[in-house]
Amino acid sequence: DVKVTQSSRYLVKRTGEKVFLECVQDMDHENMFWYRQDPGLGLRLIYFSYDVKMKEKGDIPEGYSVSREKKERFSLILESASTNQTSMYLCASSEDTRLTEQYFGPGTRLTVT
Amino acid sequence: DAKTTQPTSMDCAEGRAANLPCNHSTISGNEYVYWYRQIHSQGPQYIIHGLKNNETNEMASLIITEDRKSSTLILPHATLRDTAVYYCIVRVVAGTYKYIFGTGTRLKVLA
Repeated sequence: DVKVTQSSRYLVKRTGEKVFLECVQDMDHENMFWYRQDPGLGLRLIYFSYDVKMKEKGDIPEGYSVSREKKERFSLILESASTNQTSMYLCASSEDTRLTEQYFGPGTRLTVT
Repeated sequence: DAKTTQPTSMDCAEGRAANLPCNHSTISGNEYVYWYRQIHSQGPQYIIHGLKNNETNEMASLIITEDRKSSTLILPHATLRDTAVYYCIVRVVAGTYKYIFGTGTRLKVLA
């Protein structure tokens, strides 16, 4: 089975802190994604990556950056955390660019105080 | 971008078929319809996808209308474990590929 793991299930950070959310997949997938999920808004795509060192903006990239130095690892970075970034963050991976199926991690619930 | 519209919530009796509708009237010719579900405290899980033909797999059936403006996900014999939020998604092709998730339907299967 494909496994997508995220470094933390719950995280509490202070406003202004730099926050790193890590995601690792073990199936050699080319594509990885970061979403955030908020009540009433569904899942919204923040950034995605089709290859190592390659990234593309999703729908809501402002306030975030990403890093993909190795194929299996995709990091989401909040440069200076703000309270409106309190959310559930979900990482996903997929095998090919057609996105026939995405595999999701369990999510990280981030609270910024 | 194409978007989807789903009812906010539905109930279904255990053992009965659950029919979850989705409207995607702005879909274009090369955009697939996907369904995922999210059980509480887990990440979304892929169920099924289709372009214009009806599809069936071990989890569900997907019925897409001829004009492709709407579709229905059918869980033929719903169980309590099918209680989840179900997302109807259009996969947008615009240079690259990405999913547009909506707000989903909260399905509650009742004993």
